Amino acid sequence: SQQGEEDPQALSIQEGENATMNCSYKTSINNLQWYRQNSGRGLVHLILIRSNEREKHSGRLRVTLDTSKKSSSLLITASRAADTASYFCATDGGGADGLTFGKGTHLIIQP
Amino acid sequence: NAGVTQTPKFQVLKTGQSMTLQCAQDMNHEYMSWYRQDPGMGLRLIHYSVGAGITDQGEVPNGYNVSRSTTEDFPLRLLSAAPSQTSVYFCASSYEPRGLAGLEQYFGPGTRLTVT
Repeated sequence: SQQGEEDPQALSIQEGENATMNCSYKTSINNLQWYRQNSGRGLVHLILIRSNEREKHSGRLRVTLDTSKKSSSLLITASRAADTASYFCATDGGGADGLTFGKGTHLIIQP
Repeated sequence: NAGVTQTPKFQVLKTGQSMTLQCAQDMNHEYMSWYRQDPGMGLRLIHYSVGAGITDQGEVPNGYNVSRSTTEDFPLRLLSAAPSQTSVYFCASSYEPRGLAGLEQYFGPGTRLTVT
């Protein structure tokens, strides 16, 4: 069953604006990861945040994690047309079966 | 490194036919997995393997078989294709199943399967 649930399901913004996506999950985790999927392609890993971390940055990406609320957010600053993609959160509960993915947020950057 | 490769890219099957989706990785990863992606459903785990000779079921294993005779290869077999198996299939690999060391999963480009 789905562990992570992204919100919103779809987001359309103007180029240059910031995009924020949220992920909620149900059970305890070791870490949470964000992936990007361009249309017709496989998923690409963006960033991982461990359960003992609260915030992490990578280039224009900022991820936060609130384990008390079982939620995470992904912020993309100064968005570009190339950021148009679907974004998935994935949780690692520590089991041998690996990651559990959410349904994704489809982000459209309008030029 | 080629990373994770999948063949074929596209496949059309008739109901009842069988076929094997191929997956290979050249990164010496122990952990490999198969997901299916359906519209509005995200990715769901079909089967996974934590090393050669070891496989286990994921969330939606019915109708699929896997084997792991080598570290590099992890084929997915559809035994008797059904329209409900129309989906995009992704193979992924990582050094270990758990992300404790901060290791991400690497995904193949996917196989788009249609069952008529």
